[in-house]
Amino acid sequence: GAVVSQHPSWVICKSGTSVKIECRSLDFQATTMFWYRQFPKQSLMLMATSNEGSKATYEQGVEKDKFLINHASLTLSTLTVTSAHPEDSSFYICSAKDLAEYNEQFFGPGTRLTVL
Amino acid sequence: GQNIDQPTEMTATEGAIVQINCTYQTSGFNGLFWYQQHAGEAPTFLSYNVLDGLEEKGRFSSFLSRSKGYSYLLLKELQMKDSASYLCASLDSNYQLIWGAGTKLIIKP
Repeated sequence: GAVVSQHPSWVICKSGTSVKIECRSLDFQATTMFWYRQFPKQSLMLMATSNEGSKATYEQGVEKDKFLINHASLTLSTLTVTSAHPEDSSFYICSAKDLAEYNEQFFGPGTRLTVL
Repeated sequence: GQNIDQPTEMTATEGAIVQINCTYQTSGFNGLFWYQQHAGEAPTFLSYNVLDGLEEKGRFSSFLSRSKGYSYLLLKELQMKDSASYLCASLDSNYQLIWGAGTKLIIKP
């Protein structure tokens, strides 16, 4: 089955620092990856859609200069939270579309970010 | 606008059956997904319906009525491990998932 990994699983950082989260599709190629954020007891909120080799498409209200997305290959997308603040503390989840399974998204295990 | 509605919370008894309903209004429709999410974990895929009718997969079944903009997830022979949030998501005309807020299912012994 399609497997998506995320690294790190959890991270604690100081306010003002930057954090990079990696999302990898392990056994399939993903032209499109999605980045979600989920606050406690709330549903998934799509932050941006990442397409391999092009700029990411950000949802309304998501600062593209703060949440940098790079999708350099068909198996890797990265999200960098720049100058993180406590309000950025959340559960960040990526998902990827398998080229062969057009409609289904496969989710990574998520990254728990805590900004002190 | 785009909208997905599902109950916030439901409670059921171990061994029983529970039905979680979802109504959707999206710009275009390319299918309806159900995901299960345990606390602190990412969602896992349960089902995908694009045609009307019932799809059965073990203890879980999912139903879709496109004309009514309605789906349900049916869980049989409930087990304690089924306690989780169940997310309904509609795939719109741009093949983007529109998510419901999730239904927290509490299973009691």
